[in-house]
Amino acid sequence: NAGVMQNPRHLVRRRGQEARLRCSPVKGHSHVYWYRQLPEEGLKFMVYLQKENIIDESGMPKERFSAEFPKEGPSILRIQQVVRGDSAAYFCASSPAAPATGELFFGEGSRLTVL
Amino acid sequence: GESVGLHLPTLSVQEGDNSIINCAYSNSASDYFIWYKQESGKGPQFIIDIRSNMDKRQGQRVTVLLNKTVKHLSLQIAATQPGDSAVYFCAEGLQGGKLIFGQGTELSVKP
Repeated sequence: NAGVMQNPRHLVRRRGQEARLRCSPVKGHSHVYWYRQLPEEGLKFMVYLQKENIIDESGMPKERFSAEFPKEGPSILRIQQVVRGDSAAYFCASSPAAPATGELFFGEGSRLTVL
Repeated sequence: GESVGLHLPTLSVQEGDNSIINCAYSNSASDYFIWYKQESGKGPQFIIDIRSNMDKRQGQRVTVLLNKTVKHLSLQIAATQPGDSAVYFCAEGLQGGKLIFGQGTELSVKP
């Protein structure tokens, strides 16, 4: 009975490289959210996806960041040409439908360190 | 604008005492408000939520109070236990599942 699975848990990249973060939602959940957390700060919304659709990407930086949730397979958050400011914990959450309450199921996060 | 803030960054309580964590919000259009708990190195865990048309909701050992007049939210934890030690985030819920999180209050429970 797996919850939200994220990998890798830790990722180290040098400036200019690409980072790919994967998220498998709870089985049966079709809604996925990505949040970013800087050290000692709250989580910041990035993007909300349903299968094959981006519903709300208002929190995504305009450049270098992209997200997808294909019909098959995990959701991917991709960061191109990483910079030190991208170092953060990236959390994925899922829900079975557009939640009427605030209950999202979060993964353990992927911690990106950019050298 | 959209913002959620917390009054205190840290709170230290004695085991067995009650804890109260406070939160101020600014967006009056929120449909609901939520409290999450985050333990070190883990993802946030849902605790309790409250719809914007309510002023109180109780769960197991937790109570959330919503005062829309002053845009204030609080989480009360009864008989605080060492396992309650974590960072607590309040969040505003908007349509479509988007959450606006505050910065967090670190709760430390002394045995």
